[in-house]
Amino acid sequence: AQTVTQSQPEMSVQEAETVTLSCTYDTSESDYYLFWYKQPPSRQMILVIRQEAYKQQNATENRFSVNFQKAAKSFSLKISDSQLGDAAMYFCAYLGNQFYFGTGTSLTVIP
Amino acid sequence: KAGVTQTPRYLIKTRGQQVTLSCSPISGHRSVSWYQQTPGQGLQFLFEYFSETQRNKGNFPGRFSGRQFSNSRSEMNVSTLELGDSALYLCASSSNTGRSIDYGYTFGSGTRLTVV
Repeated sequence: AQTVTQSQPEMSVQEAETVTLSCTYDTSESDYYLFWYKQPPSRQMILVIRQEAYKQQNATENRFSVNFQKAAKSFSLKISDSQLGDAAMYFCAYLGNQFYFGTGTSLTVIP
Repeated sequence: KAGVTQTPRYLIKTRGQQVTLSCSPISGHRSVSWYQQTPGQGLQFLFEYFSETQRNKGNFPGRFSGRQFSNSRSEMNVSTLELGDSALYLCASSSNTGRSIDYGYTFGSGTRLTVV
């Protein structure tokens, strides 16, 4: 079975600074997708960014970007110019025939 | 465009009872998947339905079941509730018709089930 590992249970960042959240995964599949989801206290999982495994170019969505290293099975999320609203639990997710989620990283943004 | 709607938001049940949770997907989405989120086990995939057919199933006991209706709305049922079934149950909808993704998966706000 596929596994997703987030080794940072908690992270903090100063407002306006940059933070990187780590994620590694294990799979034998060649065709899959990777996601970062954000879960604020409202509980809803909000899509932050996604990456198709066959694309070599790293995905970018405004202040959010990923560093996708397929050979190393690494998929880190960089948040630039951090804002107070970025504070949440962040989940890395792998999608093959089903979703596998990491255990999450709780991000605190310090004013 | 309305999002994914899950009802009820909160539910308290007694051990041994059964419960039914509902998920209404985004209009036009034909895939609905269900997840259990607990502090101990994290987010775990329960099952996925596409066009009224169960397409995939996670590693949960048979007490957990689901179905999807012709309008793509889905229900999840848990019978003979156990204390360990207390969790946040999330559903997600997608328009995907296979391994490709059109718009990704959109999640609802979940149903918080407490078993006492």
